[in-house]
Amino acid sequence: DAGITQSPRHKVTETGTPVTLRCHQTENHRYMYWYRQDPGHGLRLIHYSYGVKDTDKGEVSDGYSVSRSKTEDFLLTLESATSSQTSVYFCAINGNRNTEAFFGQGTRLTVV
Amino acid sequence: ELKVEQNPLFLSMQEGKNYTIYCNYSTTSDRLYWYRQDPGKSLESLFVLLSNGAVKQEGRLMASLDTKARLSTLHITAAVHDLSATYFCAVDIPGNYQLIWGAGTKLIIKP
Repeated sequence: DAGITQSPRHKVTETGTPVTLRCHQTENHRYMYWYRQDPGHGLRLIHYSYGVKDTDKGEVSDGYSVSRSKTEDFLLTLESATSSQTSVYFCAINGNRNTEAFFGQGTRLTVV
Repeated sequence: ELKVEQNPLFLSMQEGKNYTIYCNYSTTSDRLYWYRQDPGKSLESLFVLLSNGAVKQEGRLMASLDTKARLSTLHITAAVHDLSATYFCAVDIPGNYQLIWGAGTKLIIKP
């Protein structure tokens, strides 16, 4: 299995609080992605990174920020959590575009 | 707007039958990926299709890509219960680092 770990795996937080999710990889892959998965929407890209300190927005980036200060870590921050951000969050890594992306186990976030 | 459409979105079938899931996309691309997801689990890569006419097979699953028609198919042969899952296709956007995902096809195979 690809070395990719998400933490925490489950979190319940209150509306208005900041939340940070962590994705850690041991594969030295260049590309890292944060997705959210909601029923009926498939996967939607929040932010992605193509190198250390190189990040860009995906289709649903509002309310989220990311940082990548090291190759192995990609952090997703919900600046002020809202109930609409209740979701399952997946991190993915990819070495190059000719191969598949590997996914973490997911983080189930509930905002109450 | 870039779109990836899968159909059907839900499929219930009997063991032993054959069926096909379709993935249509609206942008030019020569890279397409198929993934499987079991309930409550992460996504697992099934196939990577990298050129027009690409065909990949693994067990009872076969995937193909027609870039001119902007269509990929995932064919299931003689379905078995263990293939019950949700199947996603994703399309690579040329010149970009992103994938656009279909909504998924939930497949239930009844014994």
